[in-house]
Amino acid sequence: AQSVTQLDSHVSVSEGTPVLLRCNYSSSYSPSLFWYVQHPNKGLQLLLKYTSAATLVKGINGFEAEFKKSETSFHLTKPSAHMSDAAEYFCVVPTGTASKLTFGTGTRLQVTL
Amino acid sequence: SAVISQKPSRDICQRGTSLTIQCQVDSQVTMMFWYRQQPGQSLTLIATANQGSEATYESGFVIDKFPISRPNLTFSTLTVSNMSPEDSSIYLCSAAGTDYNEQFFGPGTRLTVL
Repeated sequence: AQSVTQLDSHVSVSEGTPVLLRCNYSSSYSPSLFWYVQHPNKGLQLLLKYTSAATLVKGINGFEAEFKKSETSFHLTKPSAHMSDAAEYFCVVPTGTASKLTFGTGTRLQVTL
Repeated sequence: SAVISQKPSRDICQRGTSLTIQCQVDSQVTMMFWYRQQPGQSLTLIATANQGSEATYESGFVIDKFPISRPNLTFSTLTVSNMSPEDSSIYLCSAAGTDYNEQFFGPGTRLTVL
């Protein structure tokens, strides 16, 4: 079964510095993968998705992620953090045949001045 | 994409009572989903709701506790029955887009059970 592991429960960066949120996946084939963001007291928003068309995926708000099959990873990055990036980030993989999504445990990103 | 609204946005309830959460989508969708997010936790799928059929529940969730209705292609409800403090969570609904692997989420309903 497909699953994802988010390696950090909490990441703190200074504003203007790079962001790296790590996600490893477990699958017997190249899956689709997503990153969602959840701002405090708000719903989930899709940041980006990988569907095997290109290994480097660009998303909204300057985020991007690279699918690396050799490392079974799909890490989320951003060159320069902004205060508004502070949120919870979820790595997500579809599972089964009924469009179910399995969420990682989440990484809370804190951005400091 | 789809825009999803939920009502109520939050509620405080007494144990033993029930609460029905409504989910409205701005377009017709085949598949809708209900998730629970317990405090400080990730999202867990409760059930899949397709119009015209019974909801499909995930392991650990039962229809008597979480009855779901899906009367048409734009609307669904989730009832949390006989509530206890352990049911305090955020409940989110989602709808699958034309790419069935992509889902759009509502803002959630924050439930507190006293």
